[in-house]
Amino acid sequence: SQTIHQWPATLVQPVGSPLSLECTVEGTSNPNLYWYRQAAGRGLQLLFYSVGIGQISSEVPQNLSASRPQDRQFILSSKKLLLSDSGFYLCAWSATGGMRNTIYFGEGSWLTVV
Amino acid sequence: SQKIEQNSEALNIQEGKTATLTCNYTNYSPAYLQWYRQDPGRGPVFLLLIRENEKEKRKERLKVTFDTTLKQSLFHITASQPADSATYLCALSRTYNNAGNMLTFGGGTRLMVKP
Repeated sequence: SQTIHQWPATLVQPVGSPLSLECTVEGTSNPNLYWYRQAAGRGLQLLFYSVGIGQISSEVPQNLSASRPQDRQFILSSKKLLLSDSGFYLCAWSATGGMRNTIYFGEGSWLTVV
Repeated sequence: SQKIEQNSEALNIQEGKTATLTCNYTNYSPAYLQWYRQDPGRGPVFLLLIRENEKEKRKERLKVTFDTTLKQSLFHITASQPADSATYLCALSRTYNNAGNMLTFGGGTRLMVKP
């Protein structure tokens, strides 16, 4: 069966510090990968998606970047965090092909920028 | 602009009653719509998918309707239980463009089922 792992689960970072959140998917090949952010009490905002190694598309301009160095690895990064980067970050995957694929989410990473 | 609206106020119901949650959208022509459940501090979990040419879909105690004329989906939980308490998100598909399964999520409605 397929599983998705993301880490760390919680982190507190000072403003201006770098960020690296990692996500790996197991049990599937060539998944579509996603990074979402959920601010407190708000809906999910799609930040980045990837349909293959090295292929990253950004949904909104921001202080963050994403990379996909391996087929099932997705990394969210920032060189200098802002207070507004605080939130709940979710990595997700879906199978390739078709229009009706379910998105499977990781457990999320809580980021607090202080 | 495209917009998805879910009631941001919590829905409080008594155990055993039917819970009905609403998802309205504007400026969309989604090919399908999905409902997810999210528990506090956890990632959303997929519940049901309904296509634009389907009026209704059922799964155990769950029922989803999809009215593309009204641009509305209703999500029902019959014989609700306290364990059903969670936030429920609706998500609409975008136009497929070879860029994966693109969904846009609503803000979610929190359901509280009281014993």
